[in-house]
Amino acid sequence: GENVEQHPSTLSVQEGDSAVIKCTYSDSASNYFPWYKQELGKRPQLIIDIRSNVGEKKDQRIAVTLNKTAKHFSLHITETQPEDSAVYFCAAPKPNTGNQFYFGTGTSLTVIP
Amino acid sequence: DAGVIQSPRHEVTEMGQEVTLRCKPISGHNSLFWYRQTMMRGLELLIYFNNNVPIDDSGMPEDRFSAKMPNASFSTLKIQPSEPRDSAVYFCASRGQGIGQPQHFGDGTRLSIL
Repeated sequence: GENVEQHPSTLSVQEGDSAVIKCTYSDSASNYFPWYKQELGKRPQLIIDIRSNVGEKKDQRIAVTLNKTAKHFSLHITETQPEDSAVYFCAAPKPNTGNQFYFGTGTSLTVIP
Repeated sequence: DAGVIQSPRHEVTEMGQEVTLRCKPISGHNSLFWYRQTMMRGLELLIYFNNNVPIDDSGMPEDRFSAKMPNASFSTLKIQPSEPRDSAVYFCASRGQGIGQPQHFGDGTRLSIL
């Protein structure tokens, strides 16, 4: 997506370690940021999202943090497990559309047992 | 909730043939999106409908591609004539109205043009 940058493109971690994926966006009016997980051969599936009125949201081993000043948001996975291996996409609203999203280019996460 | 339903799941056909992909959005969702995913280009938005009306088709590659949404519960993406470079996974997604609503993806159609 031209207005969402995602890093890194690939990430390998040992099982049990943490993984962090970061995305930056350009439109300061953006107010909603979903994260998707796509396992091999399957559809992108929403795993967590955050609205701009909060700085952090957690769901078990997954958390998302948002820094509105710096215009970046990050996905944190703690105590990684082999089943966390997948491609993760961030997304941010496309300005003045109300419905469209820019998607990041994806991060391929490999959790090594 | 049945989710977004796409058919077929897999399609293999020879170049030059017409291909029709189908999508049923989640009931009550008023926005529908067609995406194409390849290793080289990632996830590309082809076209987007709001309340059955095409809003942005700037991502449609060329005139060989067309999409329709005759009613709130059905959309088609058609390729005619198909070419090998059209081989990809095509996803349909739908979204409800309002801020903070994510897009929900179907299982996709894996298209192979020989």
